[in-house]
Amino acid sequence: DTEVTQTPKHLVMGMTNKKSLKCEQHMGHRAMYWYKQKAKKPPELMFVYSYEKLSINESVPSRFSPECPNSSLLNLHLHALQPEDSALYLCASSQESRDYGYTFGSGTRLTVV
Amino acid sequence: GENVEQHPSTLSVQEGDSAVIKCTYSDSASNYFPWYKQELGKRPQLIIDIRSNVGEKKDQRIAVTLNKTAKHFSLHITETQPEDSAVYFCPLTGRRALTFGSGTRLQVQP
Repeated sequence: DTEVTQTPKHLVMGMTNKKSLKCEQHMGHRAMYWYKQKAKKPPELMFVYSYEKLSINESVPSRFSPECPNSSLLNLHLHALQPEDSALYLCASSQESRDYGYTFGSGTRLTVV
Repeated sequence: GENVEQHPSTLSVQEGDSAVIKCTYSDSASNYFPWYKQELGKRPQLIIDIRSNVGEKKDQRIAVTLNKTAKHFSLHITETQPEDSAVYFCPLTGRRALTFGSGTRLQVQP
């Protein structure tokens, strides 16, 4: 298996909702990432997990809460989001956090209403 | 600080022509130089990468060349096809995770 699987593919949520994005890989990669991408912009790094521990938080607002239950799974819990948080959320994984290629999932397209 | 500059920001070529995108980096300690392609509405995909102990790497129609002295590396696409139309990124590597710049929007005109 050489893929990163993200669910759901699309999500519409209200500003008072709580939802979670899920990401799964079975390549034995030990680093996993969340990126946010707005239209016509490059992906922006949000969080990095290395060996299941959070190693980088790019000053992301607390309404985004990452979780890494095990080496294959990565979640992003969402709560009290704002309309400007609408974006494509990409998960990626790699063997190590530096100097290795990343495999990206197809993303979750999130719309906050 | 560390940064990568990518040129040009947009590139339009005729089908069958070659395309070259260049990235200049500042960190002498950089050892890994990847190129990602992102088609409209799709995920970024690693298309080719090179490490600092290699000067050139080729995979069918794409190649990457590295000049460590001048601190730049380039993506070369030959015999371009409409499906090569995408945004191409040379993200910053090194101590932190991949950091993407604005990229190069390549348009291949049929």
